[in-house]
Formats: sequence, C-alpha cells, structure tokens
Amino acid sequence: ETGVTQSPTHLIKTRGQQVTLRCSSQSGHNTVSWYQQALGQGPQFIFQYYREEENGRGNFPPRFSGLQFPNYSSELNVNALELDDSALYLCASSLRRGGGETQYFGPGTRLLVL
Amino acid sequence: RKEVEQDPGPFNVPEGATVAFNCTYSNSASQSFFWYRQDCRKEPKLLMSVYSSGNEDGRFTAQLNRASQYISLLIRDSKLSDSATYLCVVNKGGNFNKFYFGSGTKLNVKP
Repeated sequence: ETGVTQSPTHLIKTRGQQVTLRCSSQSGHNTVSWYQQALGQGPQFIFQYYREEENGRGNFPPRFSGLQFPNYSSELNVNALELDDSALYLCASSLRRGGGETQYFGPGTRLLVL
Repeated sequence: RKEVEQDPGPFNVPEGATVAFNCTYSNSASQSFFWYRQDCRKEPKLLMSVYSSGNEDGRFTAQLNRASQYISLLIRDSKLSDSATYLCVVNKGGNFNKFYFGSGTKLNVKP
C-alpha cells in the first residue's frame, strides 16, 4: 500500500462541534494535502502543507485549518461543524521537487455530522 | 466553470471491450496531469501520470493535448476488475500548489 495512514477511520459529531483528523505521510515525503470528498463527487482540495507551512488553499472557509509537524505528519481541524461537512476526508502525501509531484492517498476518515 | 470536467458515465461495457474516457481542464497554465482510480468506498489510487508525448502502461494508454486542454484514458481488453471510478487530476503547480480533481467517470465492466 501507500504507507499513508489516517486516523480515526470513522467519526460522528454534532453540529457546532470541532474535530481533528490526523495523517501520517509516507516515509521520505515532505508534503501533505487534504481533500474533502462528498458522496458522488471528486475530491475537493482543501489545502497543502509543505515544510510546516500552508502552501496552497482551495475554496474552504477559515474554520478549516491545519498543521504540519517536523516529522511531516499533519492535522486537519474543522471548527463549528456544519451538516455539509459530512464527507470522506482524504490526506495525500508527496515529495515536492519543484513540479510534477505524485500524490499518494491514505484510506480516509469518514465524518458524519448530525 | 469547473477546473476539470469529466463525463460522469456510467460506462457499461462487456469484458474485452475498449473504452475511452475524456477530461477537459480550464487553466492553460496547468503543469501536470494524472489519472487515478477509485474503488467504491476506498481512497483514490494512482493509475498513471499523463505526458504530452502520451504514455502506455499495459492495457492503459493516456494522452495529453495541451492545445485543446484535453486528457484521455484508453483501456483495452477490459477486465471485470477494471470496474471503478476513474478520476482525472490536474496540478497547477507553482509556488502555491493546487490539485484539481474531476468528479470521476464510472466504469462497469460486465461478464
């Protein structure tokens, strides 16, 4: 497999709560990207972290935030959860070398907001 | 307009058939291109990168046409195990990296 792991695998929260999702990147990779995938849709880019800094962001509100740690693992935090935040959250790791990087995905976290 | 557009399908084909998927992208500055495969309730898995010269991996052939901003994937001799959703991915690259996925094209290969 890809060597990218995510936790937890499933999560149920209620509206207004906060959630933290975790991702461990593949060994040797320095970049982590986060995606949201709603049912029947392709993954939507949330943001990317490279060397512990945000390095690109999609059209997601500021209540979606992240961190990358010195070991290149990463967290996605979502505050004030809304029903529409229910989705599969995917993390992908890659080795940034100035272009053409290939992303490898973890198994995802399924979040249900009630 | 979406950054990446794909025909959602489903494409229902018999085993052994040849099937082609198309994808268009809106940003001419896009730098790299990929096809991913996603099985039901699983994560996307890289199928192949796409190069201007075209590339082939066994039964799979990918083509990129930068002038028309068009990417294609051809699958020959379809197998039952090819049944999945195929996602077209475009990377803008640059200092701020963004990856754009199409909504996917569903393929059902039937016996």
